[in-house]
Amino acid sequence: ETGVTQSPTHLIKTRGQQVTLRCSSQSGHNTVSWYQQALGQGPQFIFQYYREEENGRGNFPPRFSGLQFPNYSSELNVNALELDDSALYLCASSLPPVRTGGRGEQYFGPGTRLTVT
Amino acid sequence: GNSVTQMEGPVTLSEEAFLTINCTYTATGYPSLFWYVQYPGEGLQLLLKATKADDKGSNKGFEATYRKETTSFHLEKGSVQVSDSAVYFCALTNDYKLSFGAGTTVTVRA
Repeated sequence: ETGVTQSPTHLIKTRGQQVTLRCSSQSGHNTVSWYQQALGQGPQFIFQYYREEENGRGNFPPRFSGLQFPNYSSELNVNALELDDSALYLCASSLPPVRTGGRGEQYFGPGTRLTVT
Repeated sequence: GNSVTQMEGPVTLSEEAFLTINCTYTATGYPSLFWYVQYPGEGLQLLLKATKADDKGSNKGFEATYRKETTSFHLEKGSVQVSDSAVYFCALTNDYKLSFGAGTTVTVRA
């Protein structure tokens, strides 16, 4: 069984640039969620994708956007990068909410460390 | 909205000591509760879970019991090892997204 994978591992960008992070879900999971983890804090929910559509969104501005592909992999795009966007970005996969009632566990990838200078 | 409050760290222990990390939550309905662990430089690993009141989750010697009357899910381990040094996160979900506590850093000394 393949776990959740993310790429790249590390990334350095300049303020104002755009970035794309990628995630492949664990086999058998068709739901992908993205989280932002600032240094020394717990992860914060960005959004979730199910059946290639956004299934829910946290308190993040529209410059954070995403995609899910037919093979269930996903991308997180961030435009107009700001210094505060520096964080570990975590992708998590899970069974669909309709099967778990929205109460199922999520399995995380190793994360992408984004540094904005 | 949902929220999770967990014991502030850092916590430093000697090997074979008893570990407790307190976690309380606020949520509507009947959330599922989790403990995740994050080792240095890595993502989060699911440590254990409980989905209803009085359930006990357990894994790798760690245990936590879902206490609805006190809205708590405290993590315990009877005898810690150096390899248990990590950051521990309490989390819940009842609406597709996970809400996390701030994390507790645990260091176990040989």
